[in-house]
Amino acid sequence: EVQLVESGGGLVKPGGSLRLSCAASGFTFSSYSMNWVRQAPGKGLEWVSSISGSSTYIYYADSVKGRFTISRDNAKNSLYLQMNSLRAADTAVYYCASTRAIGGLFDLWGQGTLVTVSS
Amino acid sequence: EIVMTQSPATLSVSPGERATLSCRASQSVSSNLAWYQQKPGQAPRLLIYGASTRATGIPARFSGSGSGTEFTLTISSLQSEDFAVYYCQQYDNWPFTFGQGTRLEIK
Repeated sequence: EVQLVESGGGLVKPGGSLRLSCAASGFTFSSYSMNWVRQAPGKGLEWVSSISGSSTYIYYADSVKGRFTISRDNAKNSLYLQMNSLRAADTAVYYCASTRAIGGLFDLWGQGTLVTVSS
Repeated sequence: EIVMTQSPATLSVSPGERATLSCRASQSVSSNLAWYQQKPGQAPRLLIYGASTRATGIPARFSGSGSGTEFTLTISSLQSEDFAVYYCQQYDNWPFTFGQGTRLEIK
């Protein structure tokens, strides 16, 4: 079965760090770009970061640049998001999503993991 | 950054009727426009890409049209499972941006 499963969310204090993981299965993970997209409570969708299949190309939204780091381990079929210097505004459900067809298209989504930044 | 604007914010339609959702881009995105459906407590699901191509498994009652800056998602005969929030997204330029969403509710 083709699927993405996120983990690692939780409650963290402002200024703290958290590492999210996304396990992929059912497709050739190393061949495709992967992405993180977030959704604040009751709000819309916001693209966060993307990484190409070989990790050659990496992009970040301005809102997280310098604080978040995306990475992947193709041997483990896993995607990661290291989040540092967290702020209340980073509170959201974080989804990993694949781009298996057209660049920039999010064609498969995980169920999401909730990150809450609060003192 | 390309700003995507969806209208209306909320659309009330009766089951069996047609729903028309709009999306406008602040500059041309060619046909690099996607639509996603999100139900409460679920992840978004890709419906349409390339402005008019249905994703795998999407029923024919969903159709997309437009190019450049003006786009439309039409649901021809609403089923109960279609009541959800719909987002448009441009993937023509970094950063990829979403509209704020249209909530489709039962009238």
